[in-house]
Amino acid sequence: DGGITQSPKYLFRKEGQNVTLSCEQNLNHDAMYWYRQDPGQGLRLIYYSQIVNDFQKGDIAEGYSVSREKKESFPLTVTSAQKNPTAFYLCASSIVIGTTIYFGEGSWLTVV
Amino acid sequence: GENVEQHPSTLSVQEGDSAVIKCTYSDSASNYFPWYKQELGKRPQLIIDIRSNVGEKKDQRIAVTLNKTAKHFSLHITETQPEDSAVYFCAASMTSGTYKYIFGTGTRLKVLA
Repeated sequence: DGGITQSPKYLFRKEGQNVTLSCEQNLNHDAMYWYRQDPGQGLRLIYYSQIVNDFQKGDIAEGYSVSREKKESFPLTVTSAQKNPTAFYLCASSIVIGTTIYFGEGSWLTVV
Repeated sequence: GENVEQHPSTLSVQEGDSAVIKCTYSDSASNYFPWYKQELGKRPQLIIDIRSNVGEKKDQRIAVTLNKTAKHFSLHITETQPEDSAVYFCAASMTSGTYKYIFGTGTRLKVLA
């Protein structure tokens, strides 16, 4: 848990802007994930990556993009195509795909 | 597709009483079942987990039971305290090299002092 750092913790986005959420882990985990959580709701998978230079769409990938150029980094870009991006975004990682997932502290994104 | 049903969605108990949350999974190949606790505005944190070769696991006041035949597993919290108030998520996973980590919809537990 303590080895996954998300930034910024709070972010405001204007209509039509792209914003990027940072996620860095020092746990030497191969797999990384992005989840979205709306207030009072569950966890929905946006994208996941099993290994460097590879990533797969999750259940709600539309309007989002990711990259995995380094093992420790998995940034998420919320594009202007995402019409309702206000939510709590959680980055997570696991040793390999299918093993215990640990979460970062989350980033709150609000559209203004 | 695969899914995990979690019940109840909300649960209120008196301090000192026990709380039970139940999850049912659909994929019989699932072999790993973690439980997470999420306090308001914070990240989900792993509190206990169980693998399919074990029927029960305990850690102080919390325990998890697994019934593979019925494909359900439960979280038991005894002697509840106000700090147990949170949202609890179950998940079912298959450690097969593919993403099969399916979360339940969450249970909001309120422990009344």
